[in-house]
This record gives sequence, C-alpha cells and structure tokens, in this order.
Amino acid sequence: DAKTTQPTSMDCAEGRAANLPCNHSTISGNEYVYWYRQIHSQGPQYIIHGLKNNETNEMASLIITEDRKSSTLILPHATLRDTAVYYCIVRVGNSGAGSYQLTFGKGTKLSVIP
Amino acid sequence: DAMVIQNPRYQVTQFGKPVTLSCSQTLNHNVMYWYQQKSSQAPKLLFHYYDKDFNNEADTPDNFQSRRPNTSFCFLDIRSPGLGDAAMYLCATSKFTGGGNQPQHFGDGTRLSIL
Repeated sequence: DAKTTQPTSMDCAEGRAANLPCNHSTISGNEYVYWYRQIHSQGPQYIIHGLKNNETNEMASLIITEDRKSSTLILPHATLRDTAVYYCIVRVGNSGAGSYQLTFGKGTKLSVIP
Repeated sequence: DAMVIQNPRYQVTQFGKPVTLSCSQTLNHNVMYWYQQKSSQAPKLLFHYYDKDFNNEADTPDNFQSRRPNTSFCFLDIRSPGLGDAAMYLCATSKFTGGGNQPQHFGDGTRLSIL
C-alpha cells in the first residue's frame, strides 16, 4: 500500500471549515484513499473514502486532486467534538482478498479551538 | 444501532495470569480483526478472521491467540501477559462484498493494564 504524509498537527477555530491535507504521491491506480479519526480513548472511526472522484457524506467531504497524488479532508463546520487524530490511509480497494490490514501512520492531530 | 462492542472497556490483570478480551458485532460482517495500540502509537494488526479462517500476522507473538465461535463474537486470549502487553486492544469488522473496498468499523477498545 502507498505511503502517506500528513502534517503532525493543525488548529481550527470552532465553526470554521477544517481542511486536512494528505500527500500520497506514490498512489497506484487501484488504490483508494480512506480517512479515519480517533478521538481520545476511543476506537478509530471511519469517515469517508474515495478512488478518484470527490466524495461527500454527512460527516465530511473528500477532495482528491486530478493526478490523485494528494487529497484533502474537509470538515465543513468544525466543533469541539471534532478534536481528534485524523488518519489518511491508502490501500488497494479491489485486491480480491476478503480481508485487509489498515496501516495507520502518525496522522494529524486536529485541535478545534473555541 | 448496529455496532461493534468490546467488553470490558478496562481490564486489569496480573503478570502471567491469562486474560480474555471479548468483541461482539451486530453488523453481520464476515471479517473480524484484532489490533493492538500502545500509548501514543498507531494501531497494529495482530490477526483476523475471514469467516472461520484464522489469519495471523507474521510478527504477532505466540502468546496471543484468538477464537471466533460464531459470526457475532470474537475473543482475544493472552496466555501469559507481560508488562509489554499493556495496551489498548481494538476489535474491528468489515464486510467483504467482492468489491473489496468496504471500510473497517471499530469498537471503542479494551484498555489492558498489567500489574
């Protein structure tokens, strides 16, 4: 699976959009971009994933550049409860295997400030 | 709501005393995973079950075992816990649909302390 690079930490004012970048310059054509977050003392929470088109759900939007070498997770109106470590993970989606390992990097610690 | 439930949330055991952590799911997912997360580190996969087939990671110590008696339940057994096994243990599930891109869903973990 391709390696990802994320900033170590970011701050965001409450109510503002939080834009979390992820670099995955070695991504392959069949690899998906997944985002998870982990709030302190809880398990990782799935947020969103995509292949090449931008995706949106009730939690966030995922913007993937046209060359697929980077992506941005957008939390449109950050709240204090969005303070967490955000992980960007790239992995093969259709590997033919029924199971797969999620390889977590160090992630970005997002602090939402009142 | 369908979910992944881990019990207990906190577990204390003595050095060398066997301990079992449990995970149940109402998602009807065919794959269940166990991850270990030590303080300030990312989760690391120990092993997983795809249906009844057990798959061990190469670097998972023999001290760690797992059982999956049915689709809904999976157990992590630590035969002789050492001080280095103190960690958060996370259970996750996923559903294989042929497309292979379904996300994993995690429980809130069991924090294991060794005295």
